[in-house]
Parts: sequence; structure tokens; C-alpha cells
Amino acid sequence: QQQVKQSPQSLIVQKGGIPIINCAYENTAFDYFPWYQQFPGKGPALLIAIRPDVSEKKEGRFTISFNKSAKQFSLHIMDSQPGDSATYFCAASRPGAETSGSRLTFGEGTQLTVNP
Amino acid sequence: ETGVTQSPTHLIKTRGQQVTLRCSSQSGHNTVSWYQQALGQGPQFIFQYYREEENGRGNFPPRFSGLQFPNYSSELNVNALELDDSALYLCASSRDRGLPSAQYFGPGTRLTVT
Repeated sequence: QQQVKQSPQSLIVQKGGIPIINCAYENTAFDYFPWYQQFPGKGPALLIAIRPDVSEKKEGRFTISFNKSAKQFSLHIMDSQPGDSATYFCAASRPGAETSGSRLTFGEGTQLTVNP
Repeated sequence: ETGVTQSPTHLIKTRGQQVTLRCSSQSGHNTVSWYQQALGQGPQFIFQYYREEENGRGNFPPRFSGLQFPNYSSELNVNALELDDSALYLCASSRDRGLPSAQYFGPGTRLTVT
């Protein structure tokens, strides 16, 4: 019940294209869904996050779409650029109990390549 | 940059040795979480510290232990190193242990066990 499934594993688009990365979760107790961007040799950087009371959130060129009934959420990158080439991770967490904390459960990652 | 710092950047150890990794949290954050990221995989939760006490643990054996100090910085200790412990170790700081909130990651420590 703690898994987050992410697809595709890799994605190649042309500059200006709109890559879409999808995630599905099982645990209905999850109520916070962030996306992270990671460059080689670096730590994950928080891009954007959503809570299940909204269906869409935009920040700059990044948009999260959220479907609570389907237990799915996705990241869209508008007007993608070669500098967006990185690995993207979705994650989920739930309210922490006294002894469990608010841990992040990550998807397996999507390696995005944006060609010039 | 997140303001979360980690040291050292890289480390090479021999199987059976012990290692200590360090993390300084972002200003204003009182919670530190540690994650292990194997090559090509997503980060896996090790444990979380809040006000100097462990506050949740993932599926890692007791040879993984930690500390948090009054200034909210933290250490991860791994005893009896195994080859499979080779990974990028990430710490993340956040503002509140209880409510899901933004976790900001440091650059990580790359540990290689030979």
C-alpha cells in the first residue's frame, strides 16, 4: 500500500514539446504529492507539489494534474528545453503519526531527454 | 540551492568498516530525514529525526543509526558496511514532522563500499 508507480521509465522529446510523466498510487492516506527534478550527481530539487483537494496546479512551465478517484497524478512540462533534461521523480506522503513521521515514498524515476 | 548541506561529498570505505555522514538543515527547519538512493532508483526512506529523537524508520537494519543535535543538524551512522550499502545518501530538511510538507534535499554523499 506504500507504492508509487511511475511511467515511462524514459522519455525523449524535441525542444518545445510537452513531456508528460505519470504516477499512480495505492495508499488513499497519501495527501501530499511532490515532484522532484534531479541532475546527475546532485540531490533532488523540489519542483512543484499538490494536495488532493485541487485537480491542477501550475508553477511556471510545470503543471500537475491530479485525479483523486483514479489515484493518479501527472507532471506536464510546457515548452520543454534542453536544460530540462534530467531525471524526474514523483513522490507521495501522508500525515505522520507520532512515531512514523511524514516520509516520502518515491516513484522509480523518469529520465527525460529534450533534444535541441 | 536549498540551504541543506552534507559532508563529505564522496567517501570510499571497505566492507566491515563504519561510516558517519553529516547534514546541516535549512534555516527554520526542525526535521531531518535520511534517504538512500541506489544507482538508477528513487530514494528510499531510512529514518527521520525531530527534536533529537527518531521519528519513523524505513526498512533498514539497526546498523543504520542516526543522531540529531540541538541545532537540528544530523548524522547518519552505518556500521559493518556491506557492498550493497554503496549508494547516494541524501538528507532532507522540513518544517514539521507531522504534516506532509516540502522536504528540501541536500546534494548527497556518494558512498562506495569496496
